[in-house]
Amino acid sequence: AQKITQTQPGMFVQEKEAVTLDCTYDTSDPSYGLFWYKQPSSGEMIFLIYQGSYDQQNATEGRYSLNFQKARKSANLVISASQLGDSAMYFCAMREPLASGGSYIPTFGRGTSLIVHP
Amino acid sequence: NAGVTQTPKFQVLKTGQSMTLQCAQDMNHNSMYWYRQDPGMGLRLIYYSASEGTTDKGEVPNGYNVSRLNKREFSLRLESAAPSQTSVYFCASSEGGTWSYEQYFGPGTRLTVT
Repeated sequence: AQKITQTQPGMFVQEKEAVTLDCTYDTSDPSYGLFWYKQPSSGEMIFLIYQGSYDQQNATEGRYSLNFQKARKSANLVISASQLGDSAMYFCAMREPLASGGSYIPTFGRGTSLIVHP
Repeated sequence: NAGVTQTPKFQVLKTGQSMTLQCAQDMNHNSMYWYRQDPGMGLRLIYYSASEGTTDKGEVPNGYNVSRLNKREFSLRLESAAPSQTSVYFCASSEGGTWSYEQYFGPGTRLTVT
């Protein structure tokens, strides 16, 4: 079973509108971190936002917010007021401990391609 | 700060050739990682090094070896390249191995094996 599921291969949004990118995760450990990264067409991976499993409030970073619903194991990324420069691939990732203990290894979803229309 | 650097940016190999991908970080991070990215597959972990002196296999280690040369450098070696290893390779680092640290990525190496 996939640890991170991103069910939307592609999304389209009008400039200045808000968009939600879905991410669900699977873990039985109480300590984990959830991350979103952006990959523009130039190829680099850019960290956007982090949510810890013990955090009570949803994380926000500028126009990015993470809608964290722990019971549903969901960590959706919300981009408000989309801009043309937001067109990119977006990856959800989770860090959880290895079954053998020790390191927390990140696992990535397959990504969602977002296109922002003018 | 250069962050995470990778060399080379592009490489074409013939089947059976070997090569080493170099990665260095200047952020004094303890943990380093190698990923491969294939279309529609996201990033898959090849090997990681939780701290200097340790290396461990990730999800797709077959056909690769790694060396954590020192705290800054983490190299990935393909001993006998195969067409299935055509991919984009990313090196990443993070401050620690717990759940709360984000990763910083290098610019990637685009490798084609013919």
